[in-house]
Amino acid sequence: AQSVAQPEDQVNVAEGNPLTVKCTYSVSGNPYLFWYVQYPNRGLQFLLKYITGDNLVKGSYGFEAEFNKSQTSFHLKKPSALVSDSALYFCAVRDDSSNDYKLSFGAGTTVTVRA
Amino acid sequence: SAVISQKPSRDICQRGTSLTIQCQVDSQVTMMFWYRQQPGQSLTLIATANQGSEATYESGFVIDKFPISRPNLTFSTLTVSNMSPEDSSIYLCSVSPGVGEQYFGPGTRLTVT
Repeated sequence: AQSVAQPEDQVNVAEGNPLTVKCTYSVSGNPYLFWYVQYPNRGLQFLLKYITGDNLVKGSYGFEAEFNKSQTSFHLKKPSALVSDSALYFCAVRDDSSNDYKLSFGAGTTVTVRA
Repeated sequence: SAVISQKPSRDICQRGTSLTIQCQVDSQVTMMFWYRQQPGQSLTLIATANQGSEATYESGFVIDKFPISRPNLTFSTLTVSNMSPEDSSIYLCSVSPGVGEQYFGPGTRLTVT
């Protein structure tokens, strides 16, 4: 079984401040982890993924995420947030022991960056 | 990555009618998925549509209500049949060309009146 939790419905930060969006996961095997962003009236855009290797992964638009196996977390971070980063963010997981390629998505976190 | 288009982008339909949503991919992919999403909410997987096999439906979704075709490696359709207002939602298709990430189409916003 696989699942992911995003404990915060909303995150509000000032432009220029660091942004963190939290995600924890649960899998039977090893996790494949993903972050997506959804702007209003748009589809989901892939930001970054962790499959194996370096625990810190870098993605699009200056975002990065850190895989922490002991805490079963994969938090999304950006050192300096922009107003244009305001969007809905989804964390997703796939158990590597699964061969059906299905992803389980979190409930989503709405990020608001104020000018 | 993959570039995905969906048609129509939005539609308003009468209850009891059916709508077919098309999903076109710019490259050949085996794995394709159909999701439903209420605005501002998470995604719910409807079915997995792999070319050369019957679609696999998730719990709560049945073929009679959501028939899917997958005639080749770049195209799929999802039909929402005998629609009711509860079917009002955003319908998204996605593909998985790589190790695990999925790429999504822009979505079809359906309103049933």
